[in-house]
Amino acid sequence: DTGVSQDPRHKITKRGQNVTFRCDPISEHNRLYWYRQTLGQGPEFLTYFQNEAQLEKSRLLSDRFSAERPKGSFSTLEIQRTEQGDSAMYLCASSFPQGALFAGANVLTFGAGSRLTVL
Amino acid sequence: GESVGLHLPTLSVQEGDNSIINCAYSNSASDYFIWYKQESGKGPQFIIDIRSNMDKRQGQRVTVLLNKTVKHLSLQIAATQPGDSAVYFCAEKESIDYKLSFGAGTTVTVRA
Repeated sequence: DTGVSQDPRHKITKRGQNVTFRCDPISEHNRLYWYRQTLGQGPEFLTYFQNEAQLEKSRLLSDRFSAERPKGSFSTLEIQRTEQGDSAMYLCASSFPQGALFAGANVLTFGAGSRLTVL
Repeated sequence: GESVGLHLPTLSVQEGDNSIINCAYSNSASDYFIWYKQESGKGPQFIIDIRSNMDKRQGQRVTVLLNKTVKHLSLQIAATQPGDSAVYFCAEKESIDYKLSFGAGTTVTVRA
């Protein structure tokens, strides 16, 4: 499978617990993105990596959130001390490098998402 | 702030008819636009994209129209099928940027 993989697909946790999501991007893509999507809304940008460097973090990403991409391949998104407001679908996407000129170069390919429910 | 949004949150269409989904954007600096389809329980799936130097682009059963004068984008689906039932999002980006900004989406329901 050459798509974007996310794990776990579903996570139910109690308020105050920590959770971690993993994303495996398409191997040729050096750009990786995390988005959050709540019910009925479009995806909202959280953070972006180019290779292993985290180049931008949205103000939506509070101090309880941390994302890493240590070797420039897979990425993890950790949420500490979860709150009910963190309940959402966490989407990972990847894309080709900036400047790639072929068709589809700007397309973000999304994974199926990790749905978090905080009780 | 700058945002991308859709005119209607829901659209009901008869199977076999053509569908038109509209999107308005406010960032005049955006020069790349893309439509995604999202089925229940899945991530957004690429449908078609268009750059600002074009006003029309066609794919298989889909056409995207871009009107930069009024900052309007539309997705036309020909001969709508039950498998087209989904939420459709438009998204935009500036050439200097790397991330897409999404609107709220339109839920399309195809009636048999």
